[in-house]
Amino acid sequence: ELKVEQNPLFLSMQEGKNYTIYCNYSTTSDRLYWYRQDPGKSLESLFVLLSNGAVKQEGRLMASLDTKARLSTLHITAAVHDLSATYFCAVDISEYGNKLVFGAGTILRVKS
Amino acid sequence: DVKVTQSSRYLVKRTGEKVFLECVQDMDHENMFWYRQDPGLGLRLIYFSYDVKMKEKGDIPEGYSVSREKKERFSLILESASTNQTSMYLCASSLITRLAGTAYEQYFGPGTRLTVT
Repeated sequence: ELKVEQNPLFLSMQEGKNYTIYCNYSTTSDRLYWYRQDPGKSLESLFVLLSNGAVKQEGRLMASLDTKARLSTLHITAAVHDLSATYFCAVDISEYGNKLVFGAGTILRVKS
Repeated sequence: DVKVTQSSRYLVKRTGEKVFLECVQDMDHENMFWYRQDPGLGLRLIYFSYDVKMKEKGDIPEGYSVSREKKERFSLILESASTNQTSMYLCASSLITRLAGTAYEQYFGPGTRLTVT
């Protein structure tokens, strides 16, 4: 059975600090997604990572994918309060892009 | 602007009632999905559909059925609601991946918080 494990599940950090969220998965896949969910809201796509070595950056967030290690990271640089949200990684285990398995989510709280 | 809409934000139903949750997308996407979201469990796939009248079971289909009569609309049906189906239900849609080396994100609706009493 495929497992997608995120850690940490809860992260409280000070503004201005750096941190990394890890997403490990247990099967072969070269497509991985990161989503953000604000409280009471739906999921918003952050990054689509395709193939080994993929790296994408948007503002203070940078995501990478190592398919050999079955690991993706979401790195936060100089955190600000607006980044407080829940972050999910999702691994695509299908051929046609229609079966994602989600991690449990990482709740990020950035304190002023 | 991409849009996925769901028929209700909040629903309260009684045990044993038949419940319909509807989802509409305006992006001409082939794939549509129903998930449920529970704290600490992330999102779990209930059913998905890759074409009109086509459906596939996800990881937790028991107690649910779906219907897709038109490309833009995907309905989730709880035949006889039970208290353990109290949850947040999220609909999503995406393009189908036809070529190796491509990937398309799923777009999510606002969610329906269903309470079964």
